[in-house]
Amino acid sequence: SQQGEEDPQALSIQEGENATMNCSYKTSINNLQWYRQNSGRGLVHLILIRSNEREKHSGRLRVTLDTSKKSSSLLITASRAADTASYFCATVNNDMRFGAGTRLTVKP
Amino acid sequence: NAGVTQTPKFQVLKTGQSMTLQCAQDMNHEYMSWYRQDPGMGLRLIHYSVGAGITDQGEVPNGYNVSRSTTEDFPLRLLSAAPSQTSVYFCASSYSTNSNQPQHFGDGTRLSIL
Repeated sequence: SQQGEEDPQALSIQEGENATMNCSYKTSINNLQWYRQNSGRGLVHLILIRSNEREKHSGRLRVTLDTSKKSSSLLITASRAADTASYFCATVNNDMRFGAGTRLTVKP
Repeated sequence: NAGVTQTPKFQVLKTGQSMTLQCAQDMNHEYMSWYRQDPGMGLRLIHYSVGAGITDQGEVPNGYNVSRSTTEDFPLRLLSAAPSQTSVYFCASSYSTNSNQPQHFGDGTRLSIL
């Protein structure tokens, strides 16, 4: 069964705007990871946040984790058309479980 | 550096046929796994391996077999294909079984069962 659930399922924004995607999960985790999937390709790892961390940055990406609310968010700042992809959160405890993803479209 | 390589990229099978999906990685990773991706359901773990000679079941193992005779290769076998196994299959690997490791994915095998 899925552990993480992304929200929204789809998001459409203009180039230069920020995109925020959320992930909620049900049980305790060791860490949470975000992945990107371009159409027809495999998943690419973006960022990993451990359960004892609250925020992490990588370039234009900012991830937060609230273990009390069992939720995480991924913020992409100053989005570009090349950011168009599906984004997945994956929760890790004894194994890795993926959510159904958020489909992000960035219009030029 | 090829990373994770999956073959074939596309395959059409008839119900009842068997086939093997190939996965190879050249990063000397200990951990390898197979997922299937269905619309609206994200990725679900089929089988995984923590090292050569060691495999275990994931979330949806029925109808699939795996083996790990070398560190590099982790083939997935469909024993008797069923339409419910129509999906996109991804192989992934990571450096170790330490859960704080990102996974590296292949580009997938798109499988249709008629």
